[in-house]
Amino acid sequence: AQSVTQLGSHVSVSEGALVLLRCNYSSSVPPYLFWYVQYPNQGLQLLLKYTSAATLVKGINGFEAEFKKSETSFHLTKPSAHMSDAAEYFCAVSGLQGNQFYFGTGTSLTVIP
Amino acid sequence: NAGVTQTPKFQVLKTGQSMTLQCAQDMNHEYMSWYRQDPGMGLRLIHYSVGAGITDQGEVPNGYNVSRSTTEDFPLRLLSAAPSQTSVYFCATFGPSTYEQYFGPGTRLTVT
Repeated sequence: AQSVTQLGSHVSVSEGALVLLRCNYSSSVPPYLFWYVQYPNQGLQLLLKYTSAATLVKGINGFEAEFKKSETSFHLTKPSAHMSDAAEYFCAVSGLQGNQFYFGTGTSLTVIP
Repeated sequence: NAGVTQTPKFQVLKTGQSMTLQCAQDMNHEYMSWYRQDPGMGLRLIHYSVGAGITDQGEVPNGYNVSRSTTEDFPLRLLSAAPSQTSVYFCATFGPSTYEQYFGPGTRLTVT
């Protein structure tokens, strides 16, 4: 069965510091993996996705994530945090048929000026 | 293109009342789904549909009904609202060419 674990429900970083949001997955087949961002009172927006091409995936707003099969991880990073990055971030893995997504419980990112 | 639209944006119900959350899409996607979002629990799948006339249960289907008569619309019905159904509800479609889910803006429901 597919599942996702996000370590750390709340992460705080200083403006300009590295952002690291952790995601580990469990999947019985090679997974497709996603990071979504949710700004306050809005819907979910795709940040980036891994669909078995390059293991280092670049997304919008300077975010990137690396698929590491040996560690079953798909951590999200950004070299320098900006105030506008404050949001909720969700990691997701797709199911066997690709159309069902399983979401993590989310990580709330706070950026401290 | 409007993408995925949801109405209403906000709703307050009393326990026992019924209502329908509307979801419409103009992307011609076959797969549509409903999620509820609760603090600390992420998004949980309520029901989904792989095409007109075909629906199935997700992780948390109790208390909700769905139907899919057209490709465009996928309404979610609460037959007898309960306080435990206070949540934010998101409708989403799946794009088979992009392998992405596309989300609506959500409906914030409060049941008193």
